[in-house]
Amino acid sequence: EVQLVQSGVEVKKPGESLKISCKGSGYSFTNYWIGWVRQMPGKGLEWMGIIYPGDSDTRYSPAFQGQVTISADKSISTAYLQWSSLKASDTAMYYCARLASSGWPQSWGQGTLVTVSS
Amino acid sequence: EIVLTQSPATLSLSPGERATLSCRASQSVSSYLAWYQQKPGQAPRLLIYDASNRATGIPARFSGSGSGTDFTLTISSLEPEDFAVYYCQQRTNWPELPFGGGTKVEIK
Repeated sequence: EVQLVQSGVEVKKPGESLKISCKGSGYSFTNYWIGWVRQMPGKGLEWMGIIYPGDSDTRYSPAFQGQVTISADKSISTAYLQWSSLKASDTAMYYCARLASSGWPQSWGQGTLVTVSS
Repeated sequence: EIVLTQSPATLSLSPGERATLSCRASQSVSSYLAWYQQKPGQAPRLLIYDASNRATGIPARFSGSGSGTDFTLTISSLEPEDFAVYYCQQRTNWPELPFGGGTKVEIK
């Protein structure tokens, strides 16, 4: 069974750094793209970017380019989303999702809630 | 940039009724469109991909149609568990996979 397990709730202050994780299991981690999706409180879904863990090929949506860094460590089947300096506007739920062979995000993590507040 | 517009924003229906949700693209996305269901406190779930293919385990009451710029998600007879928010997504400019704004299906 394909599973994506994300790291837990984070409460941070503006200006702090953060790295959240998404661990894949039940499949060959290096062979499938993993994407990240933001959902701000009470709002819709926003596609942030994507990584291919096999060679770390990474693409960002224009709105998130330069704002976050997506990475992966294939030795431990884990993808990451990180910020160097958080803002209050980064407060959101973040989901990782594995793209199926169809090209669509079919398997999703449970989400990581990030709250940024002074 | 292709923009997806979903309508209506909210659909108020009773269990057993038919739900028809619309997703319109600002330019053609061919058949590269998917539909997701999201319930409160849960991750999205893929329902339909490539406009009309049901994902694994999705009940037959969910169907998708359309191509080009106009797409429809139909729920033939609403079950209590179907009341949720539905999003469309396109992947014409892969790996950009933007979503529409969502339609909330609520109990009337």
